[in-house]
Order: sequence, then structure tokens, then C-alpha cells
Amino acid sequence: KAGVTQTPRYLIKTRGQQVTLSCSPISGHRSVSWYQQTPGQGLQFLFEYFSETQRNKGNFPGRFSGRQFSNSRSEMNVSTLELGDSALYLCASSFLPGLTDEQYFGPGTRLTVT
Amino acid sequence: AQSVAQPEDQVNVAEGNPLTVKCTYSVSGNPYLFWYVQYPNRGLQFLLKYITGDNLVKGSYGFEAEFNKSQTSFHLKKPSALVSDSALYFCAVRVPLPSSGGYNKLIFGAGTRLAVHP
Repeated sequence: KAGVTQTPRYLIKTRGQQVTLSCSPISGHRSVSWYQQTPGQGLQFLFEYFSETQRNKGNFPGRFSGRQFSNSRSEMNVSTLELGDSALYLCASSFLPGLTDEQYFGPGTRLTVT
Repeated sequence: AQSVAQPEDQVNVAEGNPLTVKCTYSVSGNPYLFWYVQYPNRGLQFLLKYITGDNLVKGSYGFEAEFNKSQTSFHLKKPSALVSDSALYFCAVRVPLPSSGGYNKLIFGAGTRLAVHP
């Protein structure tokens, strides 16, 4: 089975621009979560989607948004980019978003904002 | 507040020696605990989880973890470390969100860097 794929792998943007990141979960997985990873803040939860519905959202400003499509693929969008948005953005999928379900992570998208 | 703590930023071990990466948690209710590993420039890989039952959980790559309810700990262990085990290790706990109709969230520790020296 193919793993979680994320595109693009690397991205360089300038302040004020917007960006869209894409995530394709493992086949059959219906839950997708997004995380931001930085050296200073570690892994921070952004949001989780299941059946095209956002089930949970982390403590990020409204500039960060996401969606999930009927095939479970997900996108996240960051508008009006700031230097502090530079990070590794990780997507993870699981069969269900249950308490006992482990998540499988993609390789991440490295976003650099200049 | 519900949280996970990894008290060591870095653990250094000689190859062939046993290793332990520590994790403690604070949750109300039953803890659902996970260990993940991250190699450089890669995403996280699932190692093992504790849901219920036997306190010693076996996972991938020869790793195991011991759940201790009285000490609220879930330490990751391996009997004999390899240089290739050098990576960043994350402990995590899934907790239900109150009054959310069954939603939950995964809380990660800050991570522990394991360095295995030849």
C-alpha cells in the first residue's frame, strides 16, 4: 500500500503570499490531520478532517484553513504568509479518528517564507 | 491540563547498550499512548501503542514500551541500541475532547533526540 503523500515537498514563498499544500492519505483511510513542526514550538496540531468535516482545530489564526474532499484527499491553505509560518507541515492519516487509531505521516512539506 | 512530557532533550547511548527514552503523561481517564520516530527530513513513523492489557508493548524495529499506571509513565526501551536508531522520538497521547460528541486530539511531547555512538 502506498503511504501518505504530500505535495509539494519544498516551497519558497514571500511574505504576504498565500500557499496551498496537498495531502493524499493511505488508501482506505478517511481521517486526515495536519501538524506544523518548528524547532522552537515542536509539533503543533492544526486541524483534523473526517468525512469532509473538520472535527477539531488547533490554536492557529484564521489564516490557516483546510478542507477535505470526497476521496479523503486534503488541502491546507495559509493566506498572508508571515516569516513565522516557515516550518515543516506534516499530514497524517488514519483509518478512523478514534482514540486508539495510530496515525501514519507523510514526509512533509518544507515551507520557507522570505 | 492534559499533557505529555519527555524530560530529556537528548539521550546518548553506546551501540549495543540498552536504551530508554522517557515519557510521562497527565490525562483524566484512560490513556491511549503512542510512540513515533522521526528520521532527518522525514515524517514521523509509528512505532507502537498502548491501549489496554499487557503493560509491556512490543513494536517495530525491536522497540518496546512499558506502561506504568502508578507512575503515569510510558518509557520506550530497546535491549541493544543500533547506530541506525539515532533519530528524534516523540511520545503522544490521544485524549477525548469534552462535550464534543466523540472527537479527540493527539497531544505530542516535545521530542527526545537519541544519539547512538559506535
